[in-house]
Amino acid sequence: DTGVSQNPRHKITKRGQNVTFRCDPISEHNRLYWYRQTLGQGPEFLTYFQNEAQLEKSRLLSDRFSAERPKGSFSTLEIQRTEQGDSAMYLCASTPLAGENIQYFGAGTRLSVL
Amino acid sequence: QKEVEQDPGPLSVPEGAIVSLNCTYSNSAFQYFMWYRQYSRKGPELLMYTYSSGNKEDGRFTAQVDKSSKYISLFIRDSQPSDSATYLCAMSINAGNMLTFGGGTRLMVKP
Repeated sequence: DTGVSQNPRHKITKRGQNVTFRCDPISEHNRLYWYRQTLGQGPEFLTYFQNEAQLEKSRLLSDRFSAERPKGSFSTLEIQRTEQGDSAMYLCASTPLAGENIQYFGAGTRLSVL
Repeated sequence: QKEVEQDPGPLSVPEGAIVSLNCTYSNSAFQYFMWYRQYSRKGPELLMYTYSSGNKEDGRFTAQVDKSSKYISLFIRDSQPSDSATYLCAMSINAGNMLTFGGGTRLMVKP
């Protein structure tokens, strides 16, 4: 399968713990995006990378959230001191730099904060 | 008020019906318009992609964009039970920019 891969698929944690999610984009896709989706809502943009550079961050991305994309390949999203309001589906998408402007999404990581 | 508004449904139709899904938006800078389909507990899957105004057809699906009215539509002909899913409209200002999504419309096609 050469699509966008996200791990883990489901994460259950206790309030106050730190969690980290991983996204592996489609090979040779330069741009990588993170979105958050709560139940019954559409995805909301969090941040995006072009290669290893983080080019834009949403105001939704509080200082407890940090994202990295070392070497411009996979990306990680870390949430520190999780809160119950962080419970959501975290989606990753990727797109090539040139050509089609289509974002391909992974299956997401569902976070449940108890 | 959200930038992109979408009726949440649920919309229930019999198999074979024509389905019409719609979104309105407020930001006239949007130029790229997309429809994604999302099954329960899965990631969004692209159905249709349109640049600027006009119509685009792909099999049973037709996407329409009316920038003057800030209104986009997705039509599904001969709907099937397998079309039962949540349909998300999305748009962006420039190629490669973040997507702004509607809240999604849940569609149920009954056999």
